[in-house]
Amino acid sequence: DTGVSQDPRHKITKRGQNVTFRCDPISEHNRLYWYRQTLGQGPEFLTYFQNEAQLEKSRLLSDRFSAERPKGSFSTLEIQRTEQGDSAMYLCASSLGQASTDTQYFGPGTRLTVL
Amino acid sequence: GIQVEQSPPDLILQEGANSTLRCNFSDSVNNLQWFHQNPWGQLINLFYIPSGTKQNGRLSATTVATERYSLLYISSSQTTDSGVYFCAVRPGNQFYFGTGTSLTVIP
Repeated sequence: DTGVSQDPRHKITKRGQNVTFRCDPISEHNRLYWYRQTLGQGPEFLTYFQNEAQLEKSRLLSDRFSAERPKGSFSTLEIQRTEQGDSAMYLCASSLGQASTDTQYFGPGTRLTVL
Repeated sequence: GIQVEQSPPDLILQEGANSTLRCNFSDSVNNLQWFHQNPWGQLINLFYIPSGTKQNGRLSATTVATERYSLLYISSSQTTDSGVYFCAVRPGNQFYFGTGTSLTVIP
């Protein structure tokens, strides 16, 4: 068990470009979450998957954001036409999804800077 | 949505001191976790504690679900305890984080 991994760790892009981030959850974890965190704030929920199904999306997730988990394993988060306000740390977490102890484990995050 | 408030927002301690961090939430929850975010941004799971009391070494946590609060106790603090402590609650499917308590432990 190597923990949750995210790639890349840092991304610098110009406004208007598209970016894609990848998250590999802990194996056998069927729930996967994406969050966004800006400086001085707690993480804000974006979306979550139960296996390959995207079950909930935050109102924060505009139509420029899309997430997928095609085979119920890794997930990607794409941001189209990036804006400076998208600069943040993007965090991924996974959990077993058992009702009795649904503990989230976080990856190291991808820090996005939009110039 | 649910409101999650943490106090104090900032805390400075001398090494060896004890502290209590508080998390208040405005609605019933089915999941509550405490995390420590280290200076490199990594969120480390401390406790899954929707109710009751748990202890792990120098850390312990208590959640009183009926009164909608949780407490994190840190005893004999060390400089490596520095960072931001978050509580996260889940009333339905979505997790909500508090704004955190920033802890600095000085030698």
